[in-house]
Amino acid sequence: SYVLTQPPSESVAPGKAATIACGGDNIGRKSVHWYQQKPGRAPILVVYDDTVRPSGIPERFSGFNSGNTASLTISRVEAGDEADYYCQVWDGRSEHVVFGGGTKLTVL
Amino acid sequence: EVQLLESGGGLVQPGGSLRLSCAASGFTFSRYAMSWVRQAPGKGLEWVSTISGDDDTPYYADSVKGRFTISRDHSQKTLSLQMHSLRGEDTAVYFCARMGSGSYRADQWGQGTQVTVSS
Repeated sequence: SYVLTQPPSESVAPGKAATIACGGDNIGRKSVHWYQQKPGRAPILVVYDDTVRPSGIPERFSGFNSGNTASLTISRVEAGDEADYYCQVWDGRSEHVVFGGGTKLTVL
Repeated sequence: EVQLLESGGGLVQPGGSLRLSCAASGFTFSRYAMSWVRQAPGKGLEWVSTISGDDDTPYYADSVKGRFTISRDHSQKTLSLQMHSLRGEDTAVYFCARMGSGSYRADQWGQGTQVTVSS
């Protein structure tokens, strides 16, 4: 089955940029979606179809996808961005929704 | 405003059954695929099942196939998950999610319902 690999954790200073990677075999050929989840809360969609921000998501959130790696970049990081972030794709071959293992973003 | 409200969670013994429901409002229910996603304590998100929006085709994670059944009632705008032969590893918060059109992204989520499998 298709596997998405994320680093368990990343840390960043306030005001800097954070980039969270999501690796998968030829992931560049798939549409990648990103979710933010804060403790005790439901996830929210922050980027979909690789690069599209839903209404209400700040422009500081952006996505990229090519080759074997997709990424979510959060520019000018704020304390409120501290959360777990998950990437997700639809694998048409197995007809499965696939989530990455999640990355805990810590704002220093 | 889109709302997804899960119910039906609780404590069940290993080998037991439970039925989760998700009441949807604020959108045209029949036009969207719907999913169940779970999260075990301290763990990441795990996809459980999706039902398509056009012809109600079900899809299941390997870990639940044959034990769980997803269904929807278009007239009641309700999504359901019937769970049988429950195991300790099924203990999790179960989220109902609307899948946005095209690429099966979960664009709206409920707040979740806790399922605990324990003797």
